[in-house]
Amino acid sequence: RKEVEQDPGPFNVPEGATVAFNCTYSNSASQSFFWYRQDCRKEPKLLMSVYSSGNEDGRFTAQLNRASQYISLLIRDSKLSDSATYLCGGGYGGSQGNLIFGKGTKLSVKP
Amino acid sequence: EAGVAQSPRYKIIEKRQSVAFWCNPISGHATLYWYQQILGQGPKLLIQFQNNGVVDDSQLPKDRFSAERLKGVDSTLKIQPAKLEDSAVYLCASSLGERGGSTDTQYFGPGTRLTVL
Repeated sequence: RKEVEQDPGPFNVPEGATVAFNCTYSNSASQSFFWYRQDCRKEPKLLMSVYSSGNEDGRFTAQLNRASQYISLLIRDSKLSDSATYLCGGGYGGSQGNLIFGKGTKLSVKP
Repeated sequence: EAGVAQSPRYKIIEKRQSVAFWCNPISGHATLYWYQQILGQGPKLLIQFQNNGVVDDSQLPKDRFSAERLKGVDSTLKIQPAKLEDSAVYLCASSLGERGGSTDTQYFGPGTRLTVL
């Protein structure tokens, strides 16, 4: 069974904190991973894609650990505007495959 | 660049009624996906089209759900008859289709929020 698991949270952190989420996946053949951000009652928006060991974009860093089958998302210097649900998606199935999403991790950044 | 368009944005129906949702993907995107997102869950793939062909519909409840993408562009998703448990947000997404389904970036539309009473 192909699954992607996430800690649902919520993670309540103060502004300026560093926070990390983990996402574990069961399909060892997954080649790609995506972190999406979803605001309340909005659609998911791509935050970062990861095809190799990791990716970094400003305050956001994603790291892939294939041996342990997890991918993490690190947010440094949290902003109030980072409050959202973060969805992890794992790709499977090759050229005609698609994504399996976790349930999402809710982040709340407080002043 | 225009994003994925969906309509209607909201729909309220009674159980056993029928409903249809429409999606227009990003121009040039070959692959189109329909997802169901129940409150508190991640999106769950219902059906995936590559151009006008179905790639994966393994999680589509085919006794009541149907979808088509006749000309390889717009798509419609229909539920007939609806059940209470179909209350969810129905998200349409599209991807370019160049690198392959599992590695393509998917772009989501705003979704249709369905309430079945």
